Amino acid sequence: NAGVTQTPKFRVLKTGQSMTLLCAQDMNHEYMYWYRQDPGMGLRLIHYSVGEGTTAKGEVPDGYNVSRLKKQNFLLGLESAAPSQTSVYFCASSYLQGETEAFFGQGTRLTVV
Amino acid sequence: KQEVTQIPAALSVPEGENLVLNCSFTDSAIYNLQWFRQDPGKGLTSLLLIQSSQREQTSGRLNASLDKSSGRSTLYIAASQPGDSATYLCAVPSGNTPLVFGKGTRLSVIA
Repeated sequence: NAGVTQTPKFRVLKTGQSMTLLCAQDMNHEYMYWYRQDPGMGLRLIHYSVGEGTTAKGEVPDGYNVSRLKKQNFLLGLESAAPSQTSVYFCASSYLQGETEAFFGQGTRLTVV
Repeated sequence: KQEVTQIPAALSVPEGENLVLNCSFTDSAIYNLQWFRQDPGKGLTSLLLIQSSQREQTSGRLNASLDKSSGRSTLYIAASQPGDSATYLCAVPSGNTPLVFGKGTRLSVIA
């Protein structure tokens, strides 16, 4: 009963490097989300997906790209990492948007130096 | 734009005390409201989901209420324990917008 799994859990990047964060859910949920959590700022939505093959921008999408090629996976990419992207990233999923419970992964702590 | 506010930002209580955490939101057109718990360095754990048609939802020592018209929700924790120490977050979806979060209340229960 894995729920929502994020890979990796920790990562240190140098400025300008690229990486992909993977989120996988085994609950057959249609909706998936990527948030970032920063001290004093709370959780802010980066991108989200309402189904396989779809993506949409959230509150803070700049510098990130996403893909949802398979229903169970939602990838978050950083093409050229910047120190401002140092944060804790959370993935979440839900069966319906806004009408059902959302479940979160354990987070990825990313440091860009 | 939906805005969610949680008061207080931090709270410290002695073990055994009953306490109330507050959450307010600006747009009352919500489907539901969800309360989460976050332990340091961990992810978010869903505690309670209250549908917009409900007034209350209970799980063990936790009771959440929702007053949609006034844009308020409270999370009541009975007989607090040191294990309840964590950050509590409320979140609401609104229209086509996924969950909008408050900044949380950091609770410390002192033994």
